[in-house]
Amino acid sequence: RKEVEQDPGPFNVPEGATVAFNCTYSNSASQSFFWYRQDCRKEPKLLMSVYSSGNEDGRFTAQLNRASQYISLLIRDSKLSDSATYLCVVNERFSGGYNKLIFGAGTRLAVHP
Amino acid sequence: NAGVTQTPKFQVLKTGQSMTLQCAQDMNHEYMSWYRQDPGMGLRLIHYSVGAGITDQGEVPNGYNVSRSTTEDFPLRLLSAAPSQTSVYFCASSGHYGYTFGSGTRLTVV
Repeated sequence: RKEVEQDPGPFNVPEGATVAFNCTYSNSASQSFFWYRQDCRKEPKLLMSVYSSGNEDGRFTAQLNRASQYISLLIRDSKLSDSATYLCVVNERFSGGYNKLIFGAGTRLAVHP
Repeated sequence: NAGVTQTPKFQVLKTGQSMTLQCAQDMNHEYMSWYRQDPGMGLRLIHYSVGAGITDQGEVPNGYNVSRSTTEDFPLRLLSAAPSQTSVYFCASSGHYGYTFGSGTRLTVV
C-alpha cells in the first residue's frame, strides 16, 4: 500500500466549477500535512498547509480528518490558471528528530473555458 | 534571492557514465534533500542531509552518492548511469517556513 494515495485524475472541469480532491495516508503518526501545486515541467510549490480545524485561503479550503487519515482540498470558482497537478504531502518525523516529506503521486486538474 | 539552484537543467547520459547533479541554496538551511519524480509516482526521497558532514539514505538510494561539505551545497552523484535512472530530479532545502525546491534536472540515460 502506498503511504499517500490520491486519485490521479485527470479532473476536467469548466471554469467556475467547484472541484474536490481527496487523499489518504497510511501512517497514523504523521505530523503535518500539506497540499503542493506542480505546474507542468516545474517544481512543486506549497499551496497550503492542512490543519485539523480546517483552513481556507481564498477559493481553496483544506480539511484533515486524523481519525480517518484523510485529507481533502476544495477549489471553488475554478480558474483556467488552476490547471496543474495537486500533490498531497505528509510530513513524517523519523529517528533523530528530523522530518521528511512523503508525496502522493498527484491529481491532475484541467480547467477549460 | 536565488533560493535553491540546480544545474544542469537537462542532461543526456550514456549507460555506464557518471555525473554529478549540483544543488546550492543561499538560505542557510541545515536540511537538504534529493528527490526523483517518475510518471505516475510521487516524488521519492533519494538522500538527505541534516547539516554539513551528515548525510543519510532515503527511500531509493541505490546508484547514488551524496556528500555535504558545506551548508550551501549538496551534490548528487550518479556512479554508473542506468536507464532506470531516467527521471526528473529535484533538490530541496527546508527551513522554518517549509520546503523550497529547485527547478529540477531532467536526466535521460540511453
